[in-house]
Amino acid sequence: GAGVSQSPRYKVAKRGQDVALRCDPISGHVSLFWYQQALGQGPEFLTYFQNEAQLDKSGLPSDRFFAERPEGSVSTLKIQRTQQEDSAVYLCASSFSSYNEQFFGPGTRLTVL
Amino acid sequence: DQQVKQNSPSLSVQEGRISILNCDYTNSMFDYFLWYKKYPAEGPTFLISISSIKDKNEDGRFTVFLNKSAKHLSLHIVPSQPGDSAVYFCAASARGSNYKLTFGKGTLLTVNP
Repeated sequence: GAGVSQSPRYKVAKRGQDVALRCDPISGHVSLFWYQQALGQGPEFLTYFQNEAQLDKSGLPSDRFFAERPEGSVSTLKIQRTQQEDSAVYLCASSFSSYNEQFFGPGTRLTVL
Repeated sequence: DQQVKQNSPSLSVQEGRISILNCDYTNSMFDYFLWYKKYPAEGPTFLISISSIKDKNEDGRFTVFLNKSAKHLSLHIVPSQPGDSAVYFCAASARGSNYKLTFGKGTLLTVNP
């Protein structure tokens, strides 16, 4: 498929566990974004990469959240010591450039018990 | 503090009629507006956008209207089809940080056959 893919699609974690969420953007897309969507809410911006450079991480809710894109393609969002309030759908999007339409993946639904 | 507001959580219309989805915003720095459509268990899909230099943009059955003085935009779907049933998100971005989308909470549109 040529779209944005995310894995796993569903993740259940016990409070205090670390989790890693993966995003495979569309090939050739320079820009990559992470969003968090809580139940009943719209997606909220977390962070933005241009190639391997993280240009904006202003939306990350705490220092437990960390994102990387070391080779400018695949990205990983890591959440350390998960809390119940981290339960949400985490959406990844990519675009050809920051000015272009963002294409979203299906999301990873994280449930923290 | 919601900068993008979709005050109607749901809307139900008859097939063939017009669907009008509304969105209000508070941030005067927003200069680009988008509508995304989301089916269950999928990521949002871009539908149509409008720049603040325009007041109308049309694409097939979809038209977006922007009233800058009222900080209001609307999405018109004519004629509505059952396949249009989905959650519609209004989103906006600001000058200087055009990559960062701010979303509303969404409106669930149901088109009845």
